Amino acid sequence: SQKIEQNSEALNIQEGKTATLTCNYTNYSPAYLQWYRQDPGRGPVFLLLIRENEKEKRKERLKVTFDTTLKQSLFHITASQPADSATYLCALDKQYNTDKLIFGTGTRLQVFP
Amino acid sequence: DGGITQSPKYLFRKEGQNVTLSCEQNLNHDAMYWYRQDPGQGLRLIYYSQIVNDFQKGDIAEGYSVSREKKESFPLTVTSAQKNPTAFYLCASKDSRGASGGGETQYFGPGTRLLVL
Repeated sequence: SQKIEQNSEALNIQEGKTATLTCNYTNYSPAYLQWYRQDPGRGPVFLLLIRENEKEKRKERLKVTFDTTLKQSLFHITASQPADSATYLCALDKQYNTDKLIFGTGTRLQVFP
Repeated sequence: DGGITQSPKYLFRKEGQNVTLSCEQNLNHDAMYWYRQDPGQGLRLIYYSQIVNDFQKGDIAEGYSVSREKKESFPLTVTSAQKNPTAFYLCASKDSRGASGGGETQYFGPGTRLLVL
């Protein structure tokens, strides 16, 4: 079955540094991969989408890479700020049904001053 | 929270009781989804609907029921058959264009936290 893995341990970094979060998946090749941000007690908010034929996508301080050989996506936040502290979820379309998403467990990022 | 509302924010259920969670969207999206989120776990799909008057079971549909009588509304009922209902419930909607048309992104509501008394 499809499986998505994100670091379950929290990532703590200092303000101004680059945060790098990892999303690994197994057992199939998704058409696209998405990253969402979730604050405590709130619904996820879409950040970026990258397709299988794209290597990299950028949006302001965010960058996502997609390596279909390694079956891995990296999510980078440059010049991180305390306001970036949240849980970040990766999601992939379900095999044979791109109307459904499979979510990872998320990685909690804490940026301290 | 992008045009999707969920109510109530907190809901308490007594043993043997059915409770209904509301989800309304004004984004004119055809597809709507219900997820359950437990601590340390990812979002798990309960039910989804791609069009009015039609819905499909997700990965954990047992003990839940839904209806889709209007495009804007997709209520979820947690029945007494759901023995472990305590969780954070999230509703989402999506443009119907699908992957080829760019409608992959899901828009989430603020969530309802269900607690058992």
